[in-house]
Amino acid sequence: QKEVEQNSGPLSVPEGAIASLNCTYSDRGSQSFFWYRQYSGKSPELIMFIYSNGDKEDGRFTAQLNKASQYVSLLIRDSQPSDSATYLCAAGQGNLIFGKGTKLSVKP
Amino acid sequence: SQTIHQWPATLVQPVGSPLSLECTVEGTSNPNLYWYRQAAGRGLQLLFYSVGIGQISSEVPQNLSASRPQDRQFILSSKKLLLSDSGFYLCAWSPNRERNIQYFGAGTRLSVL
Repeated sequence: QKEVEQNSGPLSVPEGAIASLNCTYSDRGSQSFFWYRQYSGKSPELIMFIYSNGDKEDGRFTAQLNKASQYVSLLIRDSQPSDSATYLCAAGQGNLIFGKGTKLSVKP
Repeated sequence: SQTIHQWPATLVQPVGSPLSLECTVEGTSNPNLYWYRQAAGRGLQLLFYSVGIGQISSEVPQNLSASRPQDRQFILSSKKLLLSDSGFYLCAWSPNRERNIQYFGAGTRLSVL
C-alpha cells in the first residue's frame, strides 16, 4: 500500500515565524513531489513541486527533498495569517498519492 | 493560459438518484484528466484518470463511472447514489504523466441524503 504520511496538526506559529511542514512517503519509485495549499471549503492549490534531492526556493516557500530518507518538507518563512490553511503533500510516479494534510494556523 | 471548469459547485441528491458531474479544460490539448474524492477527515482519493478520449482507468471499484467524450471534457457519473458517495469531488488536469503537475478545479460538494 503506497502511503504519504503527514502530521495532521494543527501546527500553530506566530506571525513572522518560520512554519515547518513535514511529509514521508512509502513508494521508493516516486519521482515527483508536490505541496498544495487548501483553504477550508476550497480546492487544493499548487504551491511547490520538486523532483531532485535538495532545496527549491520560491519566494517565502522552500521545499526540501531527501529521497534516501523518503522525506519531503516545506518551509514557509515570514508566516502570515493568510498562510493559515491545510497543506497537502503528494508524491508519486504517474498517479499521485496525497497525504491527509497538515493544518497550519498563523496567529497575528 | 489554461483553466479548468467544474460544475455544479454544490449538489444535494437523494439516495438512489443518478449523478453527472462535468469538468472541462481550456487552453491546452490532450490533457491528462483526473477525478478525486475528498471525504471529511480523509485524504484525496483518486477515482479515475484518463490519458485520452475514451481511455479511462479506474482506481477504486465502486458504483461510479467516468467518461471522456471529448479531448477536454471529463464526466463522472453514477446510476444510483449511495450515502457513502457524499464528499468533495475534484477534477484535475496535468500536461503530462511524467512529471504530473496537477491543477485542480473548484470542486463539487455532493451531499447524498
